[in-house]
Amino acid sequence: GEDVEQSLFLSVREGDSSVINCTYTDSSSTYLYWYKQEPGAGLQLLTYIFSNMDMKQDQRLTVLLNKKDKHLSLRIADTQTGDSAIYFCAENNNDMRFGAGTRLTVKP
Amino acid sequence: DTAVSQTPKYLVTQMGNDKSIKCEQNLGHDTMYWYKQDSKKFLKIMFSYNNKELIINETVPNRFSPKSPDKAHLNLHINSLELGDSAVYFCASSYKIQGNGYTFGSGTRLTVV
Repeated sequence: GEDVEQSLFLSVREGDSSVINCTYTDSSSTYLYWYKQEPGAGLQLLTYIFSNMDMKQDQRLTVLLNKKDKHLSLRIADTQTGDSAIYFCAENNNDMRFGAGTRLTVKP
Repeated sequence: DTAVSQTPKYLVTQMGNDKSIKCEQNLGHDTMYWYKQDSKKFLKIMFSYNNKELIINETVPNRFSPKSPDKAHLNLHINSLELGDSAVYFCASSYKIQGNGYTFGSGTRLTVV
């Protein structure tokens, strides 16, 4: 989606932290989301952040939002092989608009 | 129990045929969606229905016709299938009021040969 941009690939070693970045264009988006897609499956909502927040933590996941720069990131601490998947950033104004997805590969 | 279920999971058909994909949600959501995911994993919204009324209709060929008999069901009918229609089609549902995100089905992989 031209409205939401993400890098396409990220490779990390098991146990390291992963940081997936995203930029969006619609400053009126009230919520921003991260979804995970495993092979052959649908998208699973991981977490979301309200636009008046700048950080949200949920167990191993930390979301950072820089509203001025329209930048969103997802940090996964202690990345495991089971975290290997495609991660989608999304903004929601009237409907959910997705980035192209970042394929995270976790090496043992 | 599956929250958003789509059938079939796989669909292989010849060019020119007409096919339907069904979607049902048991979450009590008032809005349902169809998304198309291409081979590069890019997701594009096709349609959105709120309480059986069409609210989003992106630039989609009119060979694609959604039908919502009630707010728990949103079916997608495709006429005169073309090779370029091959993709994974995802149904999703949500409450219209933002915040909780969408719940997705597991997808229907359509292959047109």
